[in-house]
Amino acid sequence: ILNVEQSPQSLHVQEGDSTNFTCSFPSSNFYALHWYRWETAKSPEALFVMTLNGDEKKKGRISATLNTKEGYSYLYIKGSQPEDSATYLCAFKAAGNKLTFGGGTRVLVKP
Amino acid sequence: GAGVSQSPSNKVTEKGKDVELRCDPISGHTALYWYRQSLGQGLEFLIYFQGNSAPDKSGLPSDRFSAERTGGSVSTLTIQRTQQEDSAVYLCASSLVGLGADTQYFGPGTRLTVL
Repeated sequence: ILNVEQSPQSLHVQEGDSTNFTCSFPSSNFYALHWYRWETAKSPEALFVMTLNGDEKKKGRISATLNTKEGYSYLYIKGSQPEDSATYLCAFKAAGNKLTFGGGTRVLVKP
Repeated sequence: GAGVSQSPSNKVTEKGKDVELRCDPISGHTALYWYRQSLGQGLEFLIYFQGNSAPDKSGLPSDRFSAERTGGSVSTLTIQRTQQEDSAVYLCASSLVGLGADTQYFGPGTRLTVL
């Protein structure tokens, strides 16, 4: 069983503030790390797929970094807005294996 | 273009009944996945179809669960003799070729409630 942990489970952010949270995964047999955003009553939406150690991806105010050697990825939200409120999921894929999702970080941006 | 669609969006059933959940993937996507999210839990993999290959059923929680994918397109997840612990949101996703770095596109889910 692959252990994919996300922390914190939830966080409240004041509008305009920046925040970040973590996804931890096994450091061996790495193939890819996915990030998704899941807003209430909507489908999970793909944010990033990361495959290389040291990868940094950016989409608007959201960015992510990847460290495959130590088994973690950070997701950053700069200047949080209410529309950023969602659950952010990471998913790890080992070679020859299926995606294993973390439990998610629920972000609530307060106006 | 059209995304992944699922039906029904909500299903309430009585314990012991059979249910069928449907997924229409994005046209041209060869890979199709079923997941579920139970209350307070993360997304749990159920089954994976890739082209004409035998499906990966390793995530199915019991033999009451089965899934088919007809003609490489529409998929049906069937739960027989439903139990209250089957209550969850069932999500379907599809991807172009089913590789690990392939983006999965999710449907809106079916919320199943077993009374």
